[in-house]
Amino acid sequence: ETGVTQSPTHLIKTRGQQVTLRCSSQSGHNTVSWYQQALGQGPQFIFQYYREEENGRGNFPPRFSGLQFPNYSSELNVNALELDDSALYLCASSEAGTGGNSPLHFGNGTRLTVT
Amino acid sequence: GQSLEQPSEVTAVEGAIVQINCTYQTSGFYGLSWYQQHDGGAPTFLSYNALDGLEETGRFSSFLSRSDSYGYLLLQELQMKDSASYFCAVNRDDKIIFGKGTRLHILP
Repeated sequence: ETGVTQSPTHLIKTRGQQVTLRCSSQSGHNTVSWYQQALGQGPQFIFQYYREEENGRGNFPPRFSGLQFPNYSSELNVNALELDDSALYLCASSEAGTGGNSPLHFGNGTRLTVT
Repeated sequence: GQSLEQPSEVTAVEGAIVQINCTYQTSGFYGLSWYQQHDGGAPTFLSYNALDGLEETGRFSSFLSRSDSYGYLLLQELQMKDSASYFCAVNRDDKIIFGKGTRLHILP
């Protein structure tokens, strides 16, 4: 069983640039969610994809967007980067939606630094 | 608003028992989950309560009371490797909300 993998592990970007982060979900999981985690804080829900459609979104502006592909892998895109976007970005996969007792399986994250 | 409150830090002694509380102000959620995160690592799932009451998984137990908007994680026979951050989270149809986390320090 392959776990959740994210790439890249670290990234440095300049304010105003755009970034794409990638995530491969765990085998058998059809739901992917993305989180932003600032240092010393809990993960903040960005959005979730189920069968290639967004089915939940947190309080993030539209410059945060995503995709899910037929193989259930996913991308997080952030446009017009701001300094406050510097954080650890976590991807998690699960078996079906957010309901029920399907636990989230997290990747190790991408550490994004915006200068 | 929708929020989960946890103590920011808790300290306990190796071998002892510690309880990490989580109070919440949200409704319409499926259940309360707990995750552990070591420094530099990914959060890992520990426990889930769909119904009121106690769920036991080895040294870890979790409790939920919907009427009191309250839950807790209980760690028994503490080991040094349990030093980590612990997050409670609620699962809803449209989002997943995490608490800010409790940093558990374990003294030898």
